[in-house]
Amino acid sequence: RKEVEQDPGPFNVPEGATVAFNCTYSNSASQSFFWYRQDCRKEPKLLMSVYSSGNEDGRFTAQLNRASQYISLLIRDSKLSDSATYLCVTSRNQAGTALIFGKGTTLSVSS
Amino acid sequence: GAVVSQHPSRVICKSGTSVKIECRSLDFQATTMFWYRQFPKKSLMLMATSNEGSKATYEQGVEKDKFLINHASLTLSTLTVTSAHPEDSSFYICSARDGAGTGYPYGYTFGSGTRLTVV
Repeated sequence: RKEVEQDPGPFNVPEGATVAFNCTYSNSASQSFFWYRQDCRKEPKLLMSVYSSGNEDGRFTAQLNRASQYISLLIRDSKLSDSATYLCVTSRNQAGTALIFGKGTTLSVSS
Repeated sequence: GAVVSQHPSRVICKSGTSVKIECRSLDFQATTMFWYRQFPKKSLMLMATSNEGSKATYEQGVEKDKFLINHASLTLSTLTVTSAHPEDSSFYICSARDGAGTGYPYGYTFGSGTRLTVV
């Protein structure tokens, strides 16, 4: 079983749509959780950290359920510029160890 | 903010030759460096973790004699793909972490990646 698994995608949505991505992780010792964004042929860039209480950053909302080992990302009012691959990321165990990436879910927002 | 410079950004080499990829932390001391590989439409796969001055720890299935990692200083780590073959063609990315964790988040900073094509 992969350490981090994500929705297969791709997601094709119109501008203004709300879209949700899901992710599960297998390592119960994971302590840090993130969503990264990767544009084609570029390095991944941090979108947001994910906290147990849930957190929001503008149009983006992330949730974490440690009991279910489940992470989600909600994007509201999608923009064309949101088109990218979204990577669910955990740390292997304590903070400071390697980041483990999911395969990513591709989002395409069209006008 | 913390910056990691990765070179080259793109390289094409002949089968059987070796290629060296460098990652430099420009404004912080990278006590730990992580090397990843990404095939098209696949996730970033962790290859190895290296700490300055010690041998790298390789992930299961990664050949340490083929992917040589050197982290001799706090600002430079190199990955050498030895006797490269077409199946080694991939996107290689480094990620550096400073000891103080002053980068974001928790001190992880990524290089811009190296696209290797072996012909």
